[in-house]
Amino acid sequence: GEDVEQSLFLSVREGDSSVINCTYTDSSSTYLYWYKQEPGAGLQLLTYIFSNMDMKQDQRLTVLLNKKDKHLSLRIADTQTGDSAIYFCAELSMGGDDKIIFGKGTRLHILP
Amino acid sequence: AAGVIQSPRHLIKEKRETATLKCYPIPRHDTVYWYQQGPGQDPQFLISFYEKMQSDKGSIPDRFSAQQFSDYHSELNMSSLELGDSALYFCASSNLSPGRGQNEQFFGPGTRLTVL
Repeated sequence: GEDVEQSLFLSVREGDSSVINCTYTDSSSTYLYWYKQEPGAGLQLLTYIFSNMDMKQDQRLTVLLNKKDKHLSLRIADTQTGDSAIYFCAELSMGGDDKIIFGKGTRLHILP
Repeated sequence: AAGVIQSPRHLIKEKRETATLKCYPIPRHDTVYWYQQGPGQDPQFLISFYEKMQSDKGSIPDRFSAQQFSDYHSELNMSSLELGDSALYFCASSNLSPGRGQNEQFFGPGTRLTVL
């Protein structure tokens, strides 16, 4: 079945780069997403990548996609305290319904 | 720009009561998705609608029902509430029909339901 896995915690010093990794199982997924959720808040779509792309860059965010290994990563350059949140990796289900399958989320903790 | 609106934002109910959550999609979006996020959990798909018809069903209990109205807003009805129903309920909307393999869903702020 469809599954998305990611590590649960990541601690990074302020100013360093954060790299959050994710693996997924559905090789036919056309869209892969990164969502950000701050404490008590809703889901914010950070970025997404189409499956025929290897990389997408948007300001401090860089998404890398290795389709062969079904591996997705999110790099946040110059990590700030405001980046502290849970980051969900997600894939678009190809079961004909277009629902989004989320990973468990990676909690990013910023060290001063 | 207009976003997805959900109401109420917070709801407190007691066990065995009923609750109705509302979702107003972005204008001209005709597809609505409902997700449930339990405490410390990832969001799980519940149900979706396209053009007022149910499109797909996920892990939604039989105690829950939902519908999409002619103005494309959707309501999630929850009966015989249980403690385990306490969660954040997200609605997302899209202007693309399901099943086309290309989709950007815009999420609302969520309704936090607490069952006491």
